[in-house]
Amino acid sequence: GENVGLHLPTLSVQEGDNSIINCAYSNSASDYFIWYKQESGKGPQFIIDIRSNMDKRQGQRVTVLLNKTVKHLSLQIAATQPGDSAVYFCAELLQGAQKLVFGQGTRLTINP
Amino acid sequence: DAMVIQNPRYQVTQFGKPVTLSCSQTLNHNVMYWYQQKSSQAPKLLFHYYDKDFNNEADTPDNFQSRRPNTSFCFLDIRSPGLGDAAMYLCATSRDSRWQTYEQYFGPGTRLTVT
Repeated sequence: GENVGLHLPTLSVQEGDNSIINCAYSNSASDYFIWYKQESGKGPQFIIDIRSNMDKRQGQRVTVLLNKTVKHLSLQIAATQPGDSAVYFCAELLQGAQKLVFGQGTRLTINP
Repeated sequence: DAMVIQNPRYQVTQFGKPVTLSCSQTLNHNVMYWYQQKSSQAPKLLFHYYDKDFNNEADTPDNFQSRRPNTSFCFLDIRSPGLGDAAMYLCATSRDSRWQTYEQYFGPGTRLTVT
């Protein structure tokens, strides 16, 4: 449905701690998921993706977990740094649809 | 570096005055997208081109049009901008096929102000 959120959920963490950002997706037939990072005034930047035949994928300092049973996606950021401050969006895509559906977004703030 | 380029980065237009935003890519991707993003909201897909095939979203106003003269370039035309059209406009590309979907690469966006 239409995303009408005017106040993004916010997560504040201490520098050096691990962050976990959660996302609930809507379509059980979605088979491809992406996490994007968007810094102020910039376009979304690809972080990591995962296909529905996997339940975990790791990148550099990031891990994505997929739970298809409850339609839940999470992004774990290890040893959070000031440069990780941004809005994080999850996005789902139905195979063949060529249309990403974005989640609401979470603003991550790093405290020194 | 291969990338998605948007020009201009900031555009000011008057209420009702047509405006065109441009996007170019050096990735040679076959799919190009235009999104509208308002403050504190997720990007909202307006339309996309799969090669030369135009795909409009059902809720995209007629005021918004697009052109893709070749693989590298795609334009967003707003025929009569209203105050509610002030937003960030994002262009994205992907190299999809009928059997596989890949991530979308976004440009830096054009911030449109309507006065």
